Amino acid sequence: GAVVSQHPSRVICKSGTSVKIECRSLDFQATTMFWYRQFPKKSLMLMATSNEGSKATYEQGVEKDKFLINHASLTLSTLTVTSAHPEDSSFYICSATTILAKNIQYFGAGTRLSVL
Amino acid sequence: GENVEQHPSTLSVQEGDSAVIKCTYSDSASNYFPWYKQELGKGPQLIIDIRSNVGEKKDQRIAVTLNKTAKHFSLHITETQPEDSAVYFCAASLYSGGSNYKLTFGKGTLLTVNP
Repeated sequence: GAVVSQHPSRVICKSGTSVKIECRSLDFQATTMFWYRQFPKKSLMLMATSNEGSKATYEQGVEKDKFLINHASLTLSTLTVTSAHPEDSSFYICSATTILAKNIQYFGAGTRLSVL
Repeated sequence: GENVEQHPSTLSVQEGDSAVIKCTYSDSASNYFPWYKQELGKGPQLIIDIRSNVGEKKDQRIAVTLNKTAKHFSLHITETQPEDSAVYFCAASLYSGGSNYKLTFGKGTLLTVNP
């Protein structure tokens, strides 16, 4: 149980375009989902916390107009990188918590974004 | 906020040996401490966790110990195998408001198990 699916696994896009990444909880309802960014050989950096039906809470220094997060249902959250630039290239990972265990995070497989 | 320090950053062992990774945290209100294994190009996988009311937990070859007074916790892997090679992250969970808990991660340990 507690499977989190992330799609796509890899995306290459041109500078200036927008990219949407999906995060789904497959076998449980996730009231809270998290979005992280990870640079090569670095730790996970929390970008935002997303609660179903509410606006996302962004960490300090993360541009909310650049990284749009939508959590419209208990099983789906999306991250849209708007007007992507090469410096947005990174590994983006989502996680989700169950209603019964709100501090246990289950992670997706990540999305490798490359902006040309 | 919470700060988690993790050591060592790299660890190389021979197959069959034990591996120990140590973490310290700063906020005594943290009450849940998971360990994640991340293989190259993949998302973190939860391998074991411990809550603040427990001092030790074991699952086959993997064990975690917690010293609340000293604010440190450790991962122990016995009888290491090449497939244990990966990056391991410790984390501390702290209530962040509403119904949310936020994880703060250590910087990771690259474990290499040599055949």
